[in-house]
Amino acid sequence: KAGVTQTPRYLIKTRGQQVTLSCSPISGHRSVSWYQQTPGQGLQFLFEYFSETQRNKGNFPGRFSGRQFSNSRSEMNVSTLELGDSALYLCASSHDRPSTDTQYFGPGTRLTVL
Amino acid sequence: GIQVEQSPPDLILQEGANSTLRCNFSDSVNNLQWFHQNPWGQLINLFYIPSGTKQNGRLSATTVATERYSLLYISSSQTTDSGVYFCAVEPGDDKIIFGKGTRLHILP
Repeated sequence: KAGVTQTPRYLIKTRGQQVTLSCSPISGHRSVSWYQQTPGQGLQFLFEYFSETQRNKGNFPGRFSGRQFSNSRSEMNVSTLELGDSALYLCASSHDRPSTDTQYFGPGTRLTVL
Repeated sequence: GIQVEQSPPDLILQEGANSTLRCNFSDSVNNLQWFHQNPWGQLINLFYIPSGTKQNGRLSATTVATERYSLLYISSSQTTDSGVYFCAVEPGDDKIIFGKGTRLHILP
């Protein structure tokens, strides 16, 4: 069974631009969660999607958004990029709730904002 | 909000040694998990353990929910155990809060 894939793996953008990251979950998994990892703030929960609906959201500004498609693939979008958005963005998939189910993580997308 | 503190922040051990990593949390939680992030950044779920004790090979974990802490034990460490170990809690609102992690370096 293929693992969680994320594209692109690396991305360089400039302040003010927007970016879209993609995550393909393990086949059969309906929950996709997104996390941001930075040296200063550590790992932070962004949001979780289940069956095309956002089920939970962390404490991030509205510039961070996401969606999930009928095949469970998910995208996250960051608009009006700031330097502080430079981070490793991880997605994880699970059958159901990420707080109780085993999550399988992708390799991450490393975003650099210049 | 809930605070999650992990100790020690860094640990250097010789291969074959045992270690205990600790996770304290400031309020009651519904769920607790342990993760390992290898030096290449890959995160792996180790345990889902809101209470009690679980074992998986050389790794075991114990959570004492009433005293608000969890312990991760690694026995007979191997170099492949190197990386950062995170605990994460879910305080009841389905949001997951991570600790800052313990960075473990196993020397050959």
